[in-house]
Amino acid sequence: GAGVSQTPSNKVTEKGKYVELRCDPISGHTALYWYRQSLGQGPEFLIYFQGTGAADDSGLPNDRFFAVRPEGSVSTLKIQRTERGDSAVYLCASSLYSAGANVLTFGAGSRLTVL
Amino acid sequence: GENVEQHPSTLSVQEGDSAVIKCTYSDSASNYFPWYKQELGKRPQLIIDIRSNVGEKKDQRIAVTLNKTAKHFSLHITETQPEDSAVYFCAASGGYSTLTFGKGTMLLVSP
Repeated sequence: GAGVSQTPSNKVTEKGKYVELRCDPISGHTALYWYRQSLGQGPEFLIYFQGTGAADDSGLPNDRFFAVRPEGSVSTLKIQRTERGDSAVYLCASSLYSAGANVLTFGAGSRLTVL
Repeated sequence: GENVEQHPSTLSVQEGDSAVIKCTYSDSASNYFPWYKQELGKRPQLIIDIRSNVGEKKDQRIAVTLNKTAKHFSLHITETQPEDSAVYFCAASGGYSTLTFGKGTMLLVSP
């Protein structure tokens, strides 16, 4: 598509529930990134995909967080047993080439609120 | 890993004044330094970037300078306008590392 698309734009859930957040990157972009942005903070790196594989998942905070990109395009971030501290805006970005000195284009984000 | 420090956290200027935001980074292998502007409730958008083979880059009212020896880089906005009001983020990356962002600077330009 023309830009990075994220759904849903807003998600409200209860503590303990499971959520999925979806990202559709710019067509042809091989690299896809997930960041998390809390109020008043900069984006915090979670995971980066090069093609179908997770090239760097060092930013995932714990094993409740998991992400997939099975066909090298759309990615899904999955959060199990959500906690109130997971509330944030989850940003997806894509770039034409791999990580490093490459321009990232961000989506509008999925705002997750855990009650 | 990389650590990026950004200051000030807030900056208030009068329309027409200049604004300067400064960042330092820790990883000497970093070679790419973008700046993103984020308006309230919107996505971060790239406004300018610089790579380590140059010391300065300009685009109309915006310029970025890089001092690799001191590991710091700065964003300069001249002739500020109210529509420049936003949160600005610096970031750094290099090699196979992903972008690490600073905590952001809220710029307020008063008419």
